[in-house]
Amino acid sequence: GNSVTQMEGPVTLSEEAFLTINCTYTATGYPSLFWYVQYPGEGLQLLLKATKADDKGSNKGFEATYRKETTSFHLEKGSVQVSDSAVYFCALTNTGTASKLTFGTGTRLQVTL
Amino acid sequence: DGGITQSPKYLFRKEGQNVTLSCEQNLNHDAMYWYRQDPGQGLRLIYYSQIVNDFQKGDIAEGYSVSREKKESFPLTVTSAQKNPTAFYLCASSQEGARTEAFFGQGTRLTVV
Repeated sequence: GNSVTQMEGPVTLSEEAFLTINCTYTATGYPSLFWYVQYPGEGLQLLLKATKADDKGSNKGFEATYRKETTSFHLEKGSVQVSDSAVYFCALTNTGTASKLTFGTGTRLQVTL
Repeated sequence: DGGITQSPKYLFRKEGQNVTLSCEQNLNHDAMYWYRQDPGQGLRLIYYSQIVNDFQKGDIAEGYSVSREKKESFPLTVTSAQKNPTAFYLCASSQEGARTEAFFGQGTRLTVV
């Protein structure tokens, strides 16, 4: 079946530090990969996505590249801000399971001044 | 504005009561979903519906029921058979297909008192 594994948090960084949140997946076929962000007390918002191998998704300074050879989709940002503090979820959908999302457990990011 | 509306934001339930969580979308999406979020466990799929008058069980459907009488609406009932209902519940919708992202509501926090 499909599964997503994320690095455990919390991740604590100083403002302007470099961010990496690791995500690896298990899936047969050709999954699409997503990063969602959740701010306290709110629902999830799509941050970025990639639908085929070697695609790079990017948004608001965040980037992730779909690496089929390593089954990974690591999230990166060159310089984090306090406003980036949130929980980040890696997720996938797959052919055969249509638009159902399989989520990782989430990684909490805390950015301090 | 287009989006997904969940209500209420907070809900308290006594032991043995059934409660219904509302989810409405005006995005004209075919597919709708209910997820449960618990600390440290990511999001788990309760039920999903790909078309009106049809729905399927997700990974943790026991103790829950749904209906899909209209395209815009997908209410979730938490029954007294659900042994541990205290959680954050998220509704989502999407177009059908593995490459489409889901849009989420703001969530309902259910607490058993």
